[in-house]
Amino acid sequence: KQEVTQIPAALSVPEGENLVLNCSFTDSAIYNLQWFRQDPGKGLTSLLLIQSSQREQTSGRLNASLDKSSGRSTLYIAASQPGDSATYLCAGWYSGGGADGLTFGKGTHLIIQP
Amino acid sequence: ETGVTQTPRHLVMGMTNKKSLKCEQHLGHNAMYWYKQSAKKPLELMFVYNFKEQTENNSVPSRFSPECPNSSHLFLHLHTLQPEDSALYLCASSQDVRGGTEAFFGQGTRLTVV
Repeated sequence: KQEVTQIPAALSVPEGENLVLNCSFTDSAIYNLQWFRQDPGKGLTSLLLIQSSQREQTSGRLNASLDKSSGRSTLYIAASQPGDSATYLCAGWYSGGGADGLTFGKGTHLIIQP
Repeated sequence: ETGVTQTPRHLVMGMTNKKSLKCEQHLGHNAMYWYKQSAKKPLELMFVYNFKEQTENNSVPSRFSPECPNSSHLFLHLHTLQPEDSALYLCASSQDVRGGTEAFFGQGTRLTVV
């Protein structure tokens, strides 16, 4: 059974800091990995998608990396802002032998202090 | 209009009621999904539809009944639910079930069973 683990579960930092969110997965047979943001009581907003053949993706102040061999992905947020406060979810897409859908971690609850 | 739209946003129902959740996607995708998000648990995949055909039922109780009349619409029919079924139900779509494509989520339906 595929499992996705996110560390830390919660993080609170002052505005302006650069930070790293970690995601690990148990099965290297991963098609792709997607990072999402979820605001309280809302749905998920897709941030970045990393294909299995890629090692990283960048969008604005966000950079996500993927290392299949070690079963890890990181989301780097540069120059954090209060508006970045949200829960960040990592999800791996597995296919064959399991559900054709995303397997999620529990998320990292991020608070950026003004 | 947002890519994936869910209605209603909030629903309170008794254990003997029958209700339905609706999801509509305007992205031209072929795959649609239902996920359940409970407090302190990762998102759980419930059902997967590809080209209107159900490809996955992730051991979901029969009191949840999905319907996919076409590639743009997905319903979740609810009957005789239990209080532990209270959760945020999220709909998602992607171009294909075979990984490698980005998944987009709706805003969710917050369901409370009383």
